[in-house]
Amino acid sequence: GNSVTQMEGPVTLSEEAFLTINCTYTATGYPSLFWYVQYPGEGLQLLLKATKADDKGSNKGFEATYRKETTSFHLEKGSVQVSDSAVYFCALTRAQAGTALIFGKGTTLSVSS
Amino acid sequence: DTAVSQTPKYLVTQMGNDKSIKCEQNLGHDTMYWYKQDSKKFLKIMFSYNNKELIINETVPNRFSPKSPDKAHLNLHINSLELGDSAVYFCASRRQDNTEAFFGQGTRLTVV
Repeated sequence: GNSVTQMEGPVTLSEEAFLTINCTYTATGYPSLFWYVQYPGEGLQLLLKATKADDKGSNKGFEATYRKETTSFHLEKGSVQVSDSAVYFCALTRAQAGTALIFGKGTTLSVSS
Repeated sequence: DTAVSQTPKYLVTQMGNDKSIKCEQNLGHDTMYWYKQDSKKFLKIMFSYNNKELIINETVPNRFSPKSPDKAHLNLHINSLELGDSAVYFCASRRQDNTEAFFGQGTRLTVV
């Protein structure tokens, strides 16, 4: 079946450090891939997405590239801020009626000044 | 205007009670979901509805019953609440031909 594996957290960084959160997936065919972010006490917000191989999603300085050959969608940011502290979820799904998003277990990021 | 809204945001109740959580989306989406987030932040799909029809019903105790009166609403009723039901429940929606899902703010259910 479909599944998503992301690196265990927590990840603790200093402000302006480089961030990588690894995500790999198992799926048949060509799923769409996502990164969602959950700030403390809030719901999930879409951070970025990619719908086909070699697509790069980007938003708010975050980037991730859909790599079919390595079945990966790693999240990167060149310089993190304290306000980036949150839980980050990698997810996949298909554009098919009723199909659900399958999430990784989430990675908690804590950025200190 | 809130795209996906859930009520209540917090719910504290005693074991054995019956409670409902309501969800409404004003995005015109065809598909709606309920997810459960446990204390370790893991998100698990519970139910999926497409055009008011149940599509996904994961291994969820039958004490949980979703109801979709129309495409814009998906409510979750829980009977005989147990301590293990304590979690954050998220409603989400999307267009059936689009993969991007929008989430509500969550309902934190605490069973005491």
